[in-house]
Amino acid sequence: AQSVTQPDIHITVSEGASLELRCNYSYGATPYLFWYVQSPGQGLQLLLKYFSGDTLVQGIKGFEAEFKRSQSSFNLRKPSVHWSDAAEYFCAVILGASGTYKYIFGTGTRLKVLA
Amino acid sequence: DTEVTQTPKHLVMGMTNKKSLKCEQHMGHRAMYWYKQKAKKPPELMFVYSYEKLSINESVPSRFSPECPNSSLLNLHLHALQPEDSALYLCASSQSLGDTQYFGPGTRLTVL
Repeated sequence: AQSVTQPDIHITVSEGASLELRCNYSYGATPYLFWYVQSPGQGLQLLLKYFSGDTLVQGIKGFEAEFKRSQSSFNLRKPSVHWSDAAEYFCAVILGASGTYKYIFGTGTRLKVLA
Repeated sequence: DTEVTQTPKHLVMGMTNKKSLKCEQHMGHRAMYWYKQKAKKPPELMFVYSYEKLSINESVPSRFSPECPNSSLLNLHLHALQPEDSALYLCASSQSLGDTQYFGPGTRLTVL
């Protein structure tokens, strides 16, 4: 079955530390890949996306993600976390082509930042 | 500008009420989406419109009725909801089907 897995439900890091959030997908072909961030009670903000090309993509707020086809992964990274990064992070994929698509979100990773 | 607006921000309704949620975008996007999100869960796709035509209905109960009156506007009509329908309802839009989705801030719905 097609799925998106975010293995870490919660992650706690200290402010200034580096961060890596994991995302794996289960699908034969390479889907379109996205990372979104959601603050409590708010909508989802797009951090970055990967469609094709360079496998290291840069996003907003200092985030980057690397697509690894061999591992079916699209992990999100940030070299130095700020307290304002505390939020829920969702990995998402779009599967399909030619007008028939599936939109799948991972279960999310809640990031807590310690001062 | 990648803004999607949603009104109202909060809505409280009884099980016999009829209400509507509204979503608007002026980015020229031709695909629009409704998602439902329960607390501590990912968004779940409900409906997708493409060029004002319903493209996907993810087996949503008929008490939820979507409407896309024009390319900028998406409504979700609510009738006879149940308390378990209480959730954050998110609207999104994209240039076309399968393209990057941009989300609105959501409507927090409480059904009493």
